[in-house]
Amino acid sequence: KAGVTQTPRYLIKTRGQQVTLSCSPISGHRSVSWYQQTPGQGLQFLFEYFSETQRNKGNFPGRFSGRQFSNSRSEMNVSTLELGDSALYLCASSFRQGALGYTFGSGTRLTVV
Amino acid sequence: AQTVTQSQPEMSVQEAETVTLSCTYDTSESDYYLFWYKQPPSRQMILVIRQEAYKQQNATENRFSVNFQKAAKSFSLKISDSQLGDAAMYFCAESNTGNQFYFGTGTSLTVIP
Repeated sequence: KAGVTQTPRYLIKTRGQQVTLSCSPISGHRSVSWYQQTPGQGLQFLFEYFSETQRNKGNFPGRFSGRQFSNSRSEMNVSTLELGDSALYLCASSFRQGALGYTFGSGTRLTVV
Repeated sequence: AQTVTQSQPEMSVQEAETVTLSCTYDTSESDYYLFWYKQPPSRQMILVIRQEAYKQQNATENRFSVNFQKAAKSFSLKISDSQLGDAAMYFCAESNTGNQFYFGTGTSLTVIP
């Protein structure tokens, strides 16, 4: 069965632009979480969606937003990009919630120049 | 706030030997979940092992086992018979809701042939 698919794998954007990242969870998984990974801050939680509803949100500015569609696919959007948004963005999915552990995708490497 | 601490930024082990990675956490919850994830250069986070806080028995998955000390809030990972494929970053994580994970800063494990 297919794993968690994130597209694109790499992205280069200019400061001030906006970007949309996509995540397709494992078939049947309804919970999708997003994490930002940087060398300085490590892995930080962005938000979690379940059945199209945001259940949890991390401590990120409002420029970071997300949504989940009826087929459980999720997108995250970052507006007005800053250099500090350069990071690996990881998506993870689980059937209902992550108590059994999330399955992660390979991430999208975003570089802001 | 929940915090997870991994005090060993780097560790090395000879192939076929045993290595233990340390993790401590801080949570005020009585019920929570603990995880070890592995991140190889491919970037995908892979679940190695999980532990439910209410279970006293230490979790084991093949060559991987944990030493869970609830009172000390310690959750170390032991890798037996280390293999070259075990080389990766290892992250300890804690979650009380199952929806939001708190990760440590990681331990880079090198396996020496």
